[in-house]
Parts: sequence; C-alpha cells; structure tokens
Amino acid sequence: NFMLTQPHSVSESPGKTVTMSCTRSSGSIASNYVQWYQQRPGSAPTTVIYEDNQRPSGIPDRFSGSIDTSSNSASLTISGLKTEDEADYYCQSYHYDNVVIFGGGTKLTVL
Amino acid sequence: QVQLQESGPGLVKPSETLSLTCAVSGYSIRGGYFWGWIRQPPGKGLEWIGTITHTGSTYYNPSLNSRINISLDMSKNQVSLKLSSMTAADTAVYFCAVSVDWGSNIDSWGQGTLVTVSS
Repeated sequence: NFMLTQPHSVSESPGKTVTMSCTRSSGSIASNYVQWYQQRPGSAPTTVIYEDNQRPSGIPDRFSGSIDTSSNSASLTISGLKTEDEADYYCQSYHYDNVVIFGGGTKLTVL
Repeated sequence: QVQLQESGPGLVKPSETLSLTCAVSGYSIRGGYFWGWIRQPPGKGLEWIGTITHTGSTYYNPSLNSRINISLDMSKNQVSLKLSSMTAADTAVYFCAVSVDWGSNIDSWGQGTLVTVSS
C-alpha cells in the first residue's frame, strides 16, 4: 500500500490564504480520488472536499482542492482564513485492492 | 440523512475482544452503501479499520486483518465490529462511518466512542 504524507502543521493569519499538501508515496495521485476532512477537537471529521476538487453543499467556496501529478500530491487551499477554520485536516484516498488510506493529518493554526 | 450511533464498553481488558455496535437510522442497511469503522488514538490521526457492503463483502485493514470481524444485523439495522486480542495500542475513539460510493467520500460519521484498554 502507498502512504499519504501531510505536513504536521501549518499556520497563517486571518484573511490570508493557506495551502496544505498531501503527497502519495507510490502510484499516481490521479489513480484514486482524494478527499479532505476537517476535524475540530472532540468532534467527528466532516468533508470539506471530495473527489479531488468537489465541495459538499454547505462548504464555502473558500475551500478548494486540486491534484498535481508532477509532484504526485493533492492540495487543500483555504482562502480568506477565519479563526473557525482552525482544525486538523486529513486527506484520504483508496488503494486499488480496496484499502482506505488516511494521511497523518495537518494541524492548521489561524493566528 | 443517515445517522450513526456507536455503542459498546468504554473499558476493555488486555487480550479481550472488543465488541462495538453502530445503530443506523434514516436508511436501511440492506438497501446499499458501504459501512465501516475508523479509529483515532488519543492525540493521533485517523486509521481505517474495515468496511462491509450491504451484501456482506468485507474489506479489512491489512495490519489488523487477522483480528477484525465486521458484520451486519439486518433485523436491527446495525453494523458490528469485533476486534480481538486487544492491547493498549488499541485504545482509541472508534467511529462508525458510511460511504454511498466506494472510492469516494465518507459521507457520514458517528460521534465516536472512546475505548480504553487497561487491566
């Protein structure tokens, strides 16, 4: 199975834009959809991006997702940062033999 | 909107088998979807445990495969997890989850239940 590697933490100021990465260790990032989940302390994760770049209803367009085959990575970008965006963010994908893979998570601090 | 509620013991002794139940409301599990379990050790990341389809096909995390059993109880509209030979490393919040499509989003999560392994 491949691994999804995320930076441990990122920080940025309110109103700014932050991008966090999710790098696939082997196989093409384009082979399987990537999802992004937001998790606030004490709560279950919720989806902010699915199928690489799709936003669920209710998620503001400040959240966007993309994949880059040259770096074999997916990215989550949050623009117009708000203090409420402070949370842990996890990427997730699938291995061809029906295995679900999570990245290690990135802690976003909005300061 | 599918709603999920986990239940089970909050404390398990080492070497015992953990049994958790996920009560599903708002949808009949015999109708479809992919029903799974995910866990999160305190202060750590998410780990997929396994998934079962409405027809009973199972997909398990290879690192836990020999210890896992996931099943459906159609009469109670519940999903069950059994994890054997528990150790302190299995201490985690256990989430029940559901996906409409395999290979896409995890659409709904339960609130999670903390399981501590200790003698």
